[in-house]
Amino acid sequence: EDQVTQSPEALRLQEGESSSLNCSYTVSGLRGLFWYRQDPGKGPEFLFTLYSAGEEKEKERLKATLTKKESFLHITAPKPEDSATYLCAVQDIVNTGNQFYFGTGTSLTVIP
Amino acid sequence: GAGVSQTPSNKVTEKGKYVELRCDPISGHTALYWYRQSLGQGPEFLIYFQGTGAADDSGLPNDRFFAVRPEGSVSTLKIQRTERGDSAVYLCASSLSTTGEQYFGPGTRLTVT
Repeated sequence: EDQVTQSPEALRLQEGESSSLNCSYTVSGLRGLFWYRQDPGKGPEFLFTLYSAGEEKEKERLKATLTKKESFLHITAPKPEDSATYLCAVQDIVNTGNQFYFGTGTSLTVIP
Repeated sequence: GAGVSQTPSNKVTEKGKYVELRCDPISGHTALYWYRQSLGQGPEFLIYFQGTGAADDSGLPNDRFFAVRPEGSVSTLKIQRTERGDSAVYLCASSLSTTGEQYFGPGTRLTVT
């Protein structure tokens, strides 16, 4: 069964304090791994797609990496506006067609 | 351009009533997904459309839930005989294809009293 586990559940950082969020996944065949940001009361906002182990993508202070079992979202020198819940999702090319499985997210708070 | 829109933004209904939730996807996006999100959880897949047809409805919890997309654009999620356990945020997402990134609407918060 496809599974997505995110850790930690919650993370508090001082402004400028870099850290990483983890997304561990179990799929039969990975079609893609997706990172989203969700602000309170809003729908998720697309950040990155990763397709194969070793792939990396960057956007401003965020960098996503992928291995065969997990993905990391690295946040460098975060600012208060980076506070949000970060969700990852996977698509399994073998088992579940075009469904996306989401983790429960990491709630990030960046303190000024 | 315009993003995904969902109406209403909030819906309060009594147990046993029927509700319809509407999703207007990004123009040209052929794939449309419905999700349900409870507090502190990630979005849970309900159904997706490729064009007009429901390609996979395996996430619908029971036969009280039904969704349509008659012209391949706007979609409506219909819930009959609502129960308190149906209370959640219902999210809609669209994408150019079923393998690409999804763009989400703001959601409809459904409260069943």
